[in-house]
Amino acid sequence: AQSVSQHNHHVILSEAASLELGCNYSYGGTVNLFWYVQYPGQHLQLLLKYFSGDPLVKGIKGFEAEFIKSKFSFNLRKPSVQWSDTAEYFCAVVGGSQGNLIFGKGTKLSVKP
Amino acid sequence: EPEVTQTPSHQVTQMGQEVILRCVPISNHLYFYWYRQILGQKVEFLVSFYNNEISEKSEIFDDQFSVERPDGSNFTLKIRSTKLEDSAMYFCASRPLAGNPKGEQYFGPGTRLTVT
Repeated sequence: AQSVSQHNHHVILSEAASLELGCNYSYGGTVNLFWYVQYPGQHLQLLLKYFSGDPLVKGIKGFEAEFIKSKFSFNLRKPSVQWSDTAEYFCAVVGGSQGNLIFGKGTKLSVKP
Repeated sequence: EPEVTQTPSHQVTQMGQEVILRCVPISNHLYFYWYRQILGQKVEFLVSFYNNEISEKSEIFDDQFSVERPDGSNFTLKIRSTKLEDSAMYFCASRPLAGNPKGEQYFGPGTRLTVT
Protein backbone atom coordinates (compact mmCIF):
# COMPACT_ATOMS: atom_id res chain seq x y z
CA ALA A 1 0.00 0.00 0.00
CA GLN A 2 1.07 3.54 -0.64
CA SER A 3 2.63 5.45 2.24
CA VAL A 4 4.17 8.88 2.73
CA SER A 5 7.10 9.82 4.93
CA GLN A 6 7.98 13.25 6.17
CA HIS A 7 11.25 13.06 7.98
CA ASN A 8 11.29 16.45 9.65
CA HIS A 9 8.96 16.70 12.61
CA HIS A 10 9.70 20.29 13.60
CA VAL A 11 11.80 22.80 11.71
CA ILE A 12 12.79 26.13 13.22
CA LEU A 13 14.14 28.85 10.92
CA SER A 14 14.84 32.53 11.05
CA GLU A 15 13.14 34.86 8.61
CA ALA A 16 14.79 34.95 5.17
CA ALA A 17 16.28 31.49 5.60
CA SER A 18 15.72 28.95 2.87
CA LEU A 19 13.38 26.05 3.46
CA GLU A 20 13.34 22.48 2.24
CA LEU A 21 10.92 19.95 3.69
CA GLY A 22 11.35 16.33 2.72
CA CYS A 23 8.60 14.03 1.48
CA ASN A 24 8.99 10.49 0.20
CA TYR A 25 6.31 8.13 -1.04
CA SER A 26 6.51 4.39 -1.37
CA TYR A 27 4.77 3.32 -4.59
CA GLY A 28 6.59 3.81 -7.84
CA GLY A 29 3.78 3.92 -10.39
CA THR A 30 1.82 6.95 -11.50
CA VAL A 31 1.39 9.28 -8.56
CA ASN A 32 -0.54 12.42 -7.85
CA LEU A 33 1.16 14.43 -5.13
CA PHE A 34 0.10 17.36 -2.99
CA TRP A 35 1.41 19.66 -0.34
CA TYR A 36 -1.15 21.08 2.07
CA VAL A 37 -0.58 23.74 4.72
CA GLN A 38 -2.44 24.26 7.96
CA TYR A 39 -1.97 27.67 9.57
CA PRO A 40 -2.70 27.88 13.29
CA GLY A 41 -6.43 27.58 13.87
CA GLN A 42 -7.24 27.20 10.20
CA HIS A 43 -8.14 24.36 7.87
CA LEU A 44 -5.95 22.47 5.45
CA GLN A 45 -5.23 24.50 2.31
CA LEU A 46 -3.61 23.34 -0.89
CA LEU A 47 -0.14 24.77 -1.53
CA LEU A 48 0.62 22.94 -4.75
CA LYS A 49 0.03 19.72 -6.63
CA TYR A 50 1.77 17.48 -9.14
CA PHE A 51 -0.09 15.33 -11.62
CA SER A 52 2.24 15.06 -14.62
CA GLY A 53 4.52 17.14 -16.82
CA ASP A 54 7.13 19.56 -15.50
CA PRO A 55 8.53 18.00 -12.31
CA LEU A 56 9.13 21.44 -10.82
CA VAL A 57 5.80 22.67 -9.56
CA LYS A 58 5.13 26.18 -8.39
CA GLY A 59 2.46 26.88 -5.81
CA ILE A 60 1.05 29.76 -3.85
CA LYS A 61 3.01 32.09 -1.58
CA GLY A 62 6.34 31.43 -3.29
CA PHE A 63 6.47 27.71 -2.56
CA GLU A 64 7.65 25.15 -5.07
CA ALA A 65 8.22 21.41 -5.05
CA GLU A 66 10.26 19.08 -7.19
CA PHE A 67 9.08 15.61 -8.14
CA ILE A 68 12.04 13.26 -8.48
CA LYS A 69 10.72 9.89 -9.61
CA SER A 70 13.99 8.04 -9.13
CA LYS A 71 14.10 9.11 -5.49
CA PHE A 72 10.37 8.74 -4.82
CA SER A 73 10.52 12.28 -3.48
CA PHE A 74 8.46 15.46 -3.63
CA ASN A 75 10.31 17.97 -1.49
CA LEU A 76 8.86 21.37 -0.72
CA ARG A 77 11.06 24.45 -1.01
CA LYS A 78 10.93 28.17 -0.47
CA PRO A 79 13.97 30.39 -0.98
CA SER A 80 13.17 32.86 1.80
CA VAL A 81 10.66 32.15 4.54
CA GLN A 82 8.59 34.71 6.39
CA TRP A 83 7.17 34.70 9.89
CA SER A 84 3.72 34.20 8.31
CA ASP A 85 4.86 30.83 6.95
CA THR A 86 4.69 29.43 10.47
CA ALA A 87 2.33 26.48 10.03
CA GLU A 88 2.16 22.73 9.70
CA TYR A 89 2.91 21.29 6.27
CA PHE A 90 1.53 18.00 5.03
CA CYS A 91 2.62 15.98 2.03
CA ALA A 92 -0.07 13.73 0.54
CA VAL A 93 -0.53 11.29 -2.31
CA VAL A 94 -3.70 9.95 -3.89
CA GLY A 95 -4.03 6.47 -2.44
CA GLY A 96 -7.15 4.98 -3.97
CA SER A 97 -9.35 4.95 -7.02
CA GLN A 98 -11.78 7.31 -5.34
CA GLY A 99 -9.15 9.97 -4.80
CA ASN A 100 -8.67 9.52 -1.09
CA LEU A 101 -5.46 11.05 0.18
CA ILE A 102 -2.70 9.40 2.16
CA PHE A 103 -0.91 11.94 4.32
CA GLY A 104 2.49 12.14 5.87
CA LYS A 105 2.79 12.95 9.57
CA GLY A 106 3.31 16.60 8.88
CA THR A 107 6.17 18.99 9.55
CA LYS A 108 5.70 21.87 11.89
CA LEU A 109 7.55 24.97 10.70
CA SER A 110 8.31 27.75 13.14
CA VAL A 111 9.78 30.94 11.69
CA LYS A 112 11.42 33.31 14.14
CA PRO A 113 11.03 37.02 13.29
CA GLU B 1 -14.90 31.87 -2.30
CA PRO B 2 -17.01 28.83 -1.43
CA GLU B 3 -15.72 26.67 1.38
CA VAL B 4 -16.47 23.50 3.27
CA THR B 5 -18.02 24.11 6.66
CA GLN B 6 -18.21 21.79 9.66
CA THR B 7 -20.22 21.87 12.86
CA PRO B 8 -19.67 21.79 15.73
CA SER B 9 -16.10 22.99 16.02
CA HIS B 10 -15.70 21.05 19.26
CA GLN B 11 -17.79 18.20 20.60
CA VAL B 12 -17.36 16.65 24.01
CA THR B 13 -19.15 13.38 24.66
CA GLN B 14 -19.13 10.53 27.11
CA MET B 15 -17.92 7.09 26.17
CA GLY B 16 -20.70 4.99 24.70
CA GLN B 17 -22.70 7.95 23.43
CA GLU B 18 -23.59 8.52 19.80
CA VAL B 19 -22.27 11.59 18.02
CA ILE B 20 -23.06 13.10 14.67
CA LEU B 21 -20.53 15.35 13.00
CA ARG B 22 -21.88 17.60 10.29
CA CYS B 23 -20.35 18.94 7.14
CA VAL B 24 -21.63 21.12 4.33
CA PRO B 25 -19.46 20.46 1.25
CA ILE B 26 -19.07 22.95 -1.57
CA SER B 27 -22.31 22.89 -3.51
CA ASN B 28 -21.23 21.64 -6.94
CA HIS B 29 -18.82 19.03 -5.61
CA LEU B 30 -19.48 15.37 -6.20
CA TYR B 31 -17.05 13.43 -4.00
CA PHE B 32 -17.06 13.70 -0.23
CA TYR B 33 -14.59 12.43 2.32
CA TRP B 34 -14.03 12.08 6.03
CA TYR B 35 -10.57 12.01 7.56
CA ARG B 36 -9.44 12.03 11.14
CA GLN B 37 -6.28 13.10 12.94
CA ILE B 38 -5.55 11.74 16.38
CA LEU B 39 -3.40 14.21 18.30
CA GLY B 40 0.21 13.90 17.25
CA GLN B 41 -0.52 11.42 14.47
CA LYS B 42 -1.15 11.43 10.73
CA VAL B 43 -4.29 12.59 9.01
CA GLU B 44 -6.00 9.27 8.16
CA PHE B 45 -8.59 8.55 5.51
CA LEU B 46 -11.88 7.14 6.81
CA VAL B 47 -14.38 7.03 3.97
CA SER B 48 -15.29 8.44 0.58
CA PHE B 49 -18.84 8.97 -0.65
CA TYR B 50 -20.11 9.41 -4.18
CA ASN B 51 -23.50 9.19 -5.80
CA ASN B 52 -25.19 8.66 -2.44
CA GLU B 53 -23.16 5.67 -1.41
CA ILE B 54 -19.84 4.79 0.15
CA SER B 55 -17.28 4.41 -2.62
CA GLU B 56 -14.29 3.44 -0.50
CA LYS B 57 -13.52 3.02 3.18
CA SER B 58 -10.49 2.32 5.29
CA GLU B 59 -10.12 -0.39 7.89
CA ILE B 60 -10.66 2.28 10.54
CA PHE B 61 -14.22 2.76 9.27
CA ASP B 62 -15.85 -0.15 11.07
CA ASP B 63 -19.48 -0.83 11.96
CA GLN B 64 -19.43 1.92 14.57
CA PHE B 65 -19.21 4.50 11.81
CA SER B 66 -21.75 5.52 9.22
CA VAL B 67 -22.13 8.37 6.76
CA GLU B 68 -25.15 9.97 5.23
CA ARG B 69 -26.11 12.76 2.90
CA PRO B 70 -29.60 13.32 4.22
CA ASP B 71 -30.73 16.36 2.28
CA GLY B 72 -28.45 17.08 -0.66
CA SER B 73 -26.36 19.63 1.20
CA ASN B 74 -25.27 18.12 4.51
CA PHE B 75 -22.83 15.23 4.80
CA THR B 76 -22.73 13.59 8.21
CA LEU B 77 -20.48 11.17 10.05
CA LYS B 78 -22.10 9.21 12.84
CA ILE B 79 -20.24 7.30 15.50
CA ARG B 80 -22.71 5.00 17.22
CA SER B 81 -20.98 4.22 20.49
CA THR B 82 -17.94 6.38 21.04
CA LYS B 83 -14.74 5.05 22.54
CA LEU B 84 -11.91 6.96 24.15
CA GLU B 85 -9.74 6.25 21.12
CA ASP B 86 -12.23 8.05 18.86
CA SER B 87 -10.99 11.33 20.30
CA ALA B 88 -9.51 13.15 17.32
CA MET B 89 -9.95 16.00 14.90
CA TYR B 90 -12.36 14.97 12.15
CA PHE B 91 -12.02 16.66 8.76
CA CYS B 92 -14.56 16.68 5.99
CA ALA B 93 -13.42 17.28 2.42
CA SER B 94 -15.04 17.54 -0.97
CA ARG B 95 -13.87 17.34 -4.56
CA PRO B 96 -15.50 18.72 -7.68
CA LEU B 97 -14.57 16.28 -10.42
CA ALA B 98 -16.40 13.06 -11.10
CA GLY B 99 -14.39 10.12 -12.37
CA ASN B 100 -11.07 11.86 -11.82
CA PRO B 101 -9.05 10.84 -8.80
CA LYS B 102 -6.51 13.56 -9.34
CA GLY B 103 -8.60 16.51 -8.30
CA GLU B 104 -7.80 18.73 -5.41
CA GLN B 105 -9.79 18.20 -2.23
CA TYR B 106 -11.14 21.13 -0.26
CA PHE B 107 -11.06 20.66 3.48
CA GLY B 108 -13.30 21.96 6.21
CA PRO B 109 -11.92 23.42 9.45
CA GLY B 110 -12.50 20.21 11.37
CA THR B 111 -14.46 19.11 14.41
CA ARG B 112 -12.49 18.28 17.52
CA LEU B 113 -14.15 15.30 19.19
CA THR B 114 -13.25 14.63 22.80
CA VAL B 115 -14.54 11.41 24.35
CA THR B 116 -14.40 11.28 28.14
